[in-house]
Amino acid sequence: QSVLTQPPSASGTPGQRVTISCSGSSSNIGSYIVNWYQQVPGTAPKLLINSYDQRPSGVPDRFSGSKSDTSASLAISGLQSEDEADYYCAAWDDSMEGVVFGGGTRLTV
Amino acid sequence: QVQLQESGPGLVKPSGTLSLTCVLSGGSFSTRVWWSWVRQPPGKGLEWIGEIYYSGTTRYNPSLKSRVSMSLDGSKNLFSLRLNSVNAADTGMYYCARGPTLSTFEFDSWGQGTQVTVSS
Repeated sequence: QSVLTQPPSASGTPGQRVTISCSGSSSNIGSYIVNWYQQVPGTAPKLLINSYDQRPSGVPDRFSGSKSDTSASLAISGLQSEDEADYYCAAWDDSMEGVVFGGGTRLTV
Repeated sequence: QVQLQESGPGLVKPSGTLSLTCVLSGGSFSTRVWWSWVRQPPGKGLEWIGEIYYSGTTRYNPSLKSRVSMSLDGSKNLFSLRLNSVNAADTGMYYCARGPTLSTFEFDSWGQGTQVTVSS
């Protein structure tokens, strides 16, 4: 059981906009920035975006991140086949004094 | 550009000790970032194991705290993980990562991962 809650799956067709949610509590998302990671099966996770909507260089602006109270969202617009991957949210947690992850959402395009 | 590379035995016997090393290249241990281990059981999600600061200060996941230890050798540009009393539930892919950073708590670089199987 993950501390952060994500839907196990999401899907969309090319060109569509998809949103993935991440729900937490005041000890994590409510107090700290949320980071999103993309993991293509068989590869290491990659930092994608955070809840301040900041992206590492090379990440397309089709990806956007936001947060409200104890929930965060990742939105992907103009969906492409290469976006098919697992997506994880993560945040610092005061109760655990460590980083907690969501259970992951598998996106099918 | 920071690169991380994990290494260690791919097979560990039950009740034994898992020992992994992560070598850092293209950078140095910084005062503004921690260095972490993250694992992923087969077909499951990511779990943060713990982190170590350049000073040697550590923080561990409470669920693993009694069995885990980490160390860092700045002169060799590497940090290490030891997990004692392993069982089948410790099987999975183990990643080392740069982070969480002090400002945004992100893991901005990851190793490719190393597979560890606990089996007799």
